Amino acid sequence: EVQLVESGGVLVRRGGSLRLSCAASGFTFSSYSMNWVRQAPGKGLEWISYITSGSTTIYYADSVKGRFTVSRDNAKNLLYLQLNSLRAEDTAMYFCARDASYFSAAYYFDYWGRGTLVTVSS
Amino acid sequence: EIVMTQSPATLSVSPGERATLSCRAGQSISNNLAWYQQRPGQPPRLLIHGASTRATGITARFSGSGSGTEFTLTISSLQSEDVGIYYCQQYNNWRPSFGQGTKVEL
Repeated sequence: EVQLVESGGVLVRRGGSLRLSCAASGFTFSSYSMNWVRQAPGKGLEWISYITSGSTTIYYADSVKGRFTVSRDNAKNLLYLQLNSLRAEDTAMYFCARDASYFSAAYYFDYWGRGTLVTVSS
Repeated sequence: EIVMTQSPATLSVSPGERATLSCRAGQSISNNLAWYQQRPGQPPRLLIHGASTRATGITARFSGSGSGTEFTLTISSLQSEDVGIYYCQQYNNWRPSFGQGTKVEL
């Protein structure tokens, strides 16, 4: 069974930093691209980052580019998101989501974690 | 970024009736369109990809259609477990974008 479990979400001050993790199991993690998608309280979904299986290609949404960094450790089946220079508008549930294509790029998401909540206080 | 617009914002449907949700893309996206269901307190779940292909394990009550800029998700006979918010998402390029969602209620 595919499982994605996010962690690391906390209450942090504006301008602060934190790192989110996503632990993957039940599939060959090193064969899939991965994504981060966020959802502000009561709002819709916003894709924020993509990383290929071998970390050779990385994309960011304009809203986080230059502040967030995605990475992965295939040996540990872990996906990370480093969040820097946090703003109030970064307050959201952060989901990791598996790209639907095996060893290619689909840019839609077939499995999601339950999310981890990041709250940025002003 | 390709803007996705969903309508209506809220859809009230009686149990057993048909629900029809619409999604419009700001430019042609061929059939690169997915639909997700998000039940209260849950993460999104993939329902449809390729505009009309049901994801693994999804009941045939859900069907998708459309191409280019106009898309539709149909729930043939609404059940109580179908309550939630439905999002469309385009994946025509590496910058995927979602619609704002349609809330389906009984």
